[in-house]
Amino acid sequence: DAGITQSPRHKVTETGTPVTLRCHQTENHRYMYWYRQDPGHGLRLIHYSYGVKDTDKGEVSDGYSVSRSKTEDFLLTLESATSSQTSVYFCAISESRLAGALNEQFFGPGTRLTVL
Amino acid sequence: KQEVTQIPAALSVPEGENLVLNCSFTDSAIYNLQWFRQDPGKGLTSLLLIQSSQREQTSGRLNASLDKSSGRSTLYIAASQPGDSATYLCAVKIDYTGANSKLTFGKGITLSVRP
Repeated sequence: DAGITQSPRHKVTETGTPVTLRCHQTENHRYMYWYRQDPGHGLRLIHYSYGVKDTDKGEVSDGYSVSRSKTEDFLLTLESATSSQTSVYFCAISESRLAGALNEQFFGPGTRLTVL
Repeated sequence: KQEVTQIPAALSVPEGENLVLNCSFTDSAIYNLQWFRQDPGKGLTSLLLIQSSQREQTSGRLNASLDKSSGRSTLYIAASQPGDSATYLCAVKIDYTGANSKLTFGKGITLSVRP
């Protein structure tokens, strides 16, 4: 299994509070991603990173920010959590360095976030 | 915009049956396609990855095929077992760098294998 951990694994918070989710990898992969999974919508990309301090938005980025100060860590922050951000959040990694390489994407175990 | 469809949303079969799970995508210009398994409350486990230049990949009782021109992939599961019960997701990648390195997912097929 790819070395990806997420913390916390479960969190319950209240509307309006800030929340930070952490993804940690031991594979030294260049790309890291945050997805959210919701019934009826499947998995959707929130933000991704293609290197230290290099990040960009995905398709559902409103209300979220990210930071990557080290290769191994990718943080997702909800500045002011809302009930619509109740979801399961998955981190993923991919080497994505060479054309023609597999560039397989591996996923972490997920964080279940409930915003009351 | 790439869209990925998996139909039906749920499938129930008796143990021992060979089965095929379908995945279709709208834009044939893909880099690769991955099949994942997700158990309830768990993360995604990568099952098979097919590069755009490949036609199929095999791992144990699983065989995935890819037909780019028609925008289709199938996951074949031989001699199904109750332990195969899970949700199966397919996802496509358009490119290996930048925003197109993300995966676009189907909504999954929830498989139940009855003993």
